[in-house]
Amino acid sequence: AQRVTQPEKLLSVFKGAPVELKCNYSYSGSPELFWYVQYSRQRLQLLLRHISRESIKGFTADLNKGETSFHLKKPFAQEEDSAMYYCALSFGNKLVFGAGTILRVKS
Amino acid sequence: NAGVTQTPKFRILKIGQSMTLQCTQDMNHNYMYWYRQDPGMGLKLIYYSVGAGITDKGEVPNGYNVSRSTTEDFPLRLELAAPSQTSVYFCASSYPNSFSGRHNEQFFGPGTRLTVL
Repeated sequence: AQRVTQPEKLLSVFKGAPVELKCNYSYSGSPELFWYVQYSRQRLQLLLRHISRESIKGFTADLNKGETSFHLKKPFAQEEDSAMYYCALSFGNKLVFGAGTILRVKS
Repeated sequence: NAGVTQTPKFRILKIGQSMTLQCTQDMNHNYMYWYRQDPGMGLKLIYYSVGAGITDKGEVPNGYNVSRSTTEDFPLRLELAAPSQTSVYFCASSYPNSFSGRHNEQFFGPGTRLTVL
């Protein structure tokens, strides 16, 4: 069955510290993975997708098929990065979401 | 473009009441989705539609119904509200998957916070 696991409900870091939000998936096919973000009082929106292989707002994520992971990383956290982050797996014309991780960046 | 709009923003229902959550998009997207968001559980897909007249169940469809008579609208109906349906409901839309099967970005509405007492 398709499954996305985000093991941390809350990740709290200081401004300027590195950030890694973990995401593991279970899928028998060729995975297509995404990170969505929900800032306070804003809509859920796409942050990045693995096929783009680009950096968005300083965040990157690499698909590791051997470890079935798609961790989200940023070398230096900023206060405006505080938000809820969801990892998602494409399955046909649907998305399967993880439980989400709240990132809090403290000053 | 307004994107995806949802009404109402908030609603309190009594057990057994019914209501319809409205969702409209003006991006001419074929695909539309309904999710519920519960603390610690992430987003769960309730129903989805790949075009007008076509709907299908998601992961948690029990207690809900949908219809898709137009491309723009995808209402979600709760017939007999139960406390377990207390949640935040999100509607989303997207273009169909590309010819290569790539999943297109989903655009989300602002959500409806529903409480059933």
